[in-house]
Amino acid sequence: EVQLVESGGGLVQPGGSLRLSCAASGFTFSSYWMSWVRQAPGKGLEWVANIKQDGSEKYYVDSVKGRFTISRDNAKNSLYLQMNSLRAEDTAVYYCAREGPFAGSDPFDYWGQGTLVTVSS
Amino acid sequence: SYVLTQPPSVSVAPGKTARITCGGNNIGSKSVHWYQQKPGQAPVLVIYYDSDRPSGIPERFSGSNSGNTATLTISRVEAGDEADYYCQVWDSSSDHPDWVFGGGTKLTVL
Repeated sequence: EVQLVESGGGLVQPGGSLRLSCAASGFTFSSYWMSWVRQAPGKGLEWVANIKQDGSEKYYVDSVKGRFTISRDNAKNSLYLQMNSLRAEDTAVYYCAREGPFAGSDPFDYWGQGTLVTVSS
Repeated sequence: SYVLTQPPSVSVAPGKTARITCGGNNIGSKSVHWYQQKPGQAPVLVIYYDSDRPSGIPERFSGSNSGNTATLTISRVEAGDEADYYCQVWDSSSDHPDWVFGGGTKLTVL
């Protein structure tokens, strides 16, 4: 059974940092592109970033470029999102999601349950 | 950047057909995926590559895509279909490709 379990969310002050993790199981993690998607309270879905199987390609939404870094450790079947210089508008539930073997084609067929990040003083 | 436009809300009586649109410039040339999200839950894929259904999704869910509009159709709507629905495409037209979601449509079953 495919499982994605996020962790690392919490309350952080504006300008602070947080590192999210996503533990994957039930599939060959190293064979898939992976993404982070967020959802602000009461708002819609917003794609944040994705990463190729070997980490050699990464893409980000403009609003997080230069502040967030996506990475992965295939030996640990884990996906990460390092978030720096956090702003109030980064407050959201962050989901990790599995894409397919190829960038920009396959849908997000599995999602984690999400972890809440709150940026507030 | 590429923009997907969805109606904020759609209402339908039980047993009737709901159609949720997703508008975008020449969206017919892209592959569209659709997700269902119920309150407090993660999104679930209901239609991929315009019209394919994942296993476990009822045949009542179907999709189409042509021109500037993609459509998610839910036939014989049930109370359990009440949820938010999002369309999604991959936009590779700029120098920084990215995934784009529509703003979401709240389906209300009357």
